[in-house]
Amino acid sequence: EIVMTQSPATLSVSPGERVTLSCRASQSVSSNLAWYQQKPGQAPRLLIYGASTRATGIPARFSGSVSGTEFTLTISSLQSEDFAVYYCQQYENRPLTFGGGTKVEIK
Amino acid sequence: QVQLQESGPGLVKPSQTLSLTCTVSGGSISSGGYYWSWIRQHPGKGLEWIGNIYYSGSTYYNPSLQSRVTISVDTSKNQFSLKLNSVTAADTAVFYCARLRYNNLADFDLWGRGTLVTVSS
Repeated sequence: EIVMTQSPATLSVSPGERVTLSCRASQSVSSNLAWYQQKPGQAPRLLIYGASTRATGIPARFSGSVSGTEFTLTISSLQSEDFAVYYCQQYENRPLTFGGGTKVEIK
Repeated sequence: QVQLQESGPGLVKPSQTLSLTCTVSGGSISSGGYYWSWIRQHPGKGLEWIGNIYYSGSTYYNPSLQSRVTISVDTSKNQFSLKLNSVTAADTAVFYCARLRYNNLADFDLWGRGTLVTVSS
C-alpha cells in the first residue's frame, strides 16, 4: 500500500497570504495524484488531478506541482472560502489511498 | 448534471450488515466508461477508499475490508450498493459514494453528500 503523508497537519494563515501544502508518497506515483478540499459537513471537492491540472471550475489561485515523490498544492492568495481541510490522493496503485489531511485555519 | 445520493439506515447494530445505496441521477450509470466507488470517513478523520464497481459488475476492493465488503450494481435502477458485514463500532463513519474520473485507477470528480452510519446497540 502506498502511504501518503501530508504536512503540516494544521496551518494558520491570514487571508491574502500564499499557502503551500505538502504531500509525500512512500513510493513513486508518477503524476497520479489528486488534491481535494473539504469544508465542514461537506463532501470533498476535486481541485487538482494529474498532480497539476485544475479540475473544472477551480480558480487559478490553486496550483499543483511535483518533484519526485513530493507534491505541493499552492494557494496563491488565500480567500475566506479557502479555509478548509485539504487531502491528497494517489491513484497509481490500488488500494487508492489518501493523505491524513492539512487543515488551513484562520490565523 | 450528474448527481449522486446515498441512502440507507443511519443506525446499525454491532455484528449486523450495513447496507447503503447510491442513486445516480442526471446520467446513466452504464454510460461514459466511469467506475463508481464507496469511500468512508471516520468522525474527525481522513478518507478511506472501500471499493469500486463498473456497470458490468467488475469490482475492486480495499484489501483491508475485502473480506467483509460487497459492492453491487443495478443498472435498471441506476444505482450501486454497498454491503459491509459483521460491523463494529469502528465502522461508524460517514459513507460517500463517488465517481472515478476516467477508469478504475483515478481521482474522484463527483461525490454524494455523504451519509453518517453509526454502529451501536
